[in-house]
Amino acid sequence: DSGVTQTPKHLITATGQRVTLRCSPRSGDLSVYWYQQSLDQGLQFLIQYYNGEERAKGNILERFSAQQFPDLHSELNLSSLELGDSALYFCASSVELGRTQYFGPGTRLTVL
Amino acid sequence: GIQVEQSPPDLILQEGANSTLRCNFSDSVNNLQWFHQNPWGQLINLFYIPSGTKQNGRLSATTVATERYSLLYISSSQTTDSGVYFCAVDSGGSNYKLTFGKGTLLTVNP
Repeated sequence: DSGVTQTPKHLITATGQRVTLRCSPRSGDLSVYWYQQSLDQGLQFLIQYYNGEERAKGNILERFSAQQFPDLHSELNLSSLELGDSALYFCASSVELGRTQYFGPGTRLTVL
Repeated sequence: GIQVEQSPPDLILQEGANSTLRCNFSDSVNNLQWFHQNPWGQLINLFYIPSGTKQNGRLSATTVATERYSLLYISSSQTTDSGVYFCAVDSGGSNYKLTFGKGTLLTVNP
């Protein structure tokens, strides 16, 4: 158990819908990262937060957004879902930037 | 951006055998991590090893930063070692995102 929690574990929804994925980092970790794992793209970085502020963006679609709250938990919002958004979404956390990233169990999203 | 190449892409072993997985990267790195993704999809952190050598039980890793490669050694493999092994690096700078290789799929047969 990495100490990073993600909910829900599985999510099945329809095209055009909106979902919210939640992540709680390890106790004391200030940095949160979101990654997407799909069969065709592999594991890709989406976005990073540090102590509530967005620090970096990767290959994140405009339909996707995220935030980190004062208690340091983070949410990833995916809207206008398409079939191609079906993937495993991971959250990771680290105590500081550049330190070991610990990954949560992931949320498996299926868009039908 | 930084490129990460892993080899071999697939590896099949008998239980008890040893193996070496390789990760080459195209630029200097601030962080290098090895992960094991088990058949249930969990990404388990094995090593944080931007340079030097570390050991943890039957697993060890070595990173030669000046030559831009890292090796993961698995000794006396067990069926529970099966899964995909990923190498991931970050090159620091303004962000610390991890760039992942495509992984090595390891199958350990009893």
